[in-house]
Amino acid sequence: EQQVQQSPASLVLQEAENAELQCSFSIFTNQVQWFYQRPGGRLVSLLYNPSGTKQSGRLTSTTVIKERRSSLHISSSQITDSGTYLCAMEHPSGSWQLIFGSGTQLTVMP
Amino acid sequence: GPKVLQIPSHQIIDMGQMVTLNCDPVSNHLYFYWYKQILGQQMEFLVNFYNGKVMEKSKLFKDQFSVERPDGSYFTLKIQPTALEDSAVYFCASSSDWGNYAEQFFGPGTRLTVL
Repeated sequence: EQQVQQSPASLVLQEAENAELQCSFSIFTNQVQWFYQRPGGRLVSLLYNPSGTKQSGRLTSTTVIKERRSSLHISSSQITDSGTYLCAMEHPSGSWQLIFGSGTQLTVMP
Repeated sequence: GPKVLQIPSHQIIDMGQMVTLNCDPVSNHLYFYWYKQILGQQMEFLVNFYNGKVMEKSKLFKDQFSVERPDGSYFTLKIQPTALEDSAVYFCASSSDWGNYAEQFFGPGTRLTVL
């Protein structure tokens, strides 16, 4: 079973539209991070959000730990936002390793 | 924000050879990690390292893999000998703390191709 489920698997937007990406966990976790992976593979950390709401520029993440979910909202999308968005949670055993989802492939069209 | 560097960015080697991937973690960080991502697949944890020791490793961390950080220099992942299935992007990460509220900072990855 996938411990980290991301939806949608892919999303196509017109420039300036907003995006809402979802992440759900099969078990409880205390740690959630969102990443952006460029088409070439380079990984960029977006938001570290173990609980509550955090904002960075056009990105807003809301994590509700007791409901085992986190979301990433991208406002006023830009073409350069295209890429893969990954959600990761702390391994439930208490060890410090991240478990990643399969990602949401975002394409922003002009 | 804090930067993790990885050298080289790309490495192509023949099967059976040894390869060493280098990671320069954030300067005051004490906890180090390697992750592996095969093309088109999920990122997966390999190993974490603290105070000169491997703390945990996954089933992907085969006997041919080893990690070390001699004298506070690069944190390295060595594969000896390499196999075709080792072709992947390897990401290094570091954190200042362990457990809750310990954000991991990732490097840009080293793309390893084993021929």
